[in-house]
Amino acid sequence: QQQVKQSPQSLIVQKGGISIINCAYENTAFDYFPWYQQFPGKGPALLIAIRPDVSEKKEGRFTISFNKSAKQFSLHIMDSQPGDSATYFCAASLTGGGNKLTFGTGTQLKVEL
Amino acid sequence: EAGVAQSPRYKIIEKRQSVAFWCNPISGHATLYWYQQILGQGPKLLIQFQNNGVVDDSQLPKDRFSAERLKGVDSTLKIQPAKLEDSAVYLCASSLDLGTGYEQYFGPGTRLTVT
Repeated sequence: QQQVKQSPQSLIVQKGGISIINCAYENTAFDYFPWYQQFPGKGPALLIAIRPDVSEKKEGRFTISFNKSAKQFSLHIMDSQPGDSATYFCAASLTGGGNKLTFGTGTQLKVEL
Repeated sequence: EAGVAQSPRYKIIEKRQSVAFWCNPISGHATLYWYQQILGQGPKLLIQFQNNGVVDDSQLPKDRFSAERLKGVDSTLKIQPAKLEDSAVYLCASSLDLGTGYEQYFGPGTRLTVT
């Protein structure tokens, strides 16, 4: 019940295109849904996050869409750039559970010129 | 503001040997986490500290893994004896406190190869 499923495993997008990564969760008690970006040789870095009381959050070219009834959330990267090439992890946490993060399996994004 | 520091960055050992990893969190961060990231997978929490106390070590293989944060600042994770399946990146993260554990800051990790 603590699992977070992420797809696709890898994604190739042309420069300027839209990258979409999807995640689904099972535990309806999760109350915080962050996305982390990881470059090779670096640790994950918080990119954007959402709470289940809103359906969408946008920060620059990055948008999270959240569907509480479907228990799904997604990351959209608009106008994808080669510098966005990285591994993206969705995660979920539970306030009552000490705010520990449960991560998805990751999506390796490559943005081609 | 300095980030989370980890050392060493890389370590190669033979199975049954022991190894230790060090982490220094962001100054003032009370909560410290150790994660194991196997190639192609997301980080998996091993242990969580609040100051010098353990909050959660339910996923730490205690027969071979140990961790401490004696003075509530830096921390050490040890594996003894190592197995082939311990090959992974070990990530340390910190947050201001338990209440802001959803905003964690990660170090660069230590890549461990067990041969």
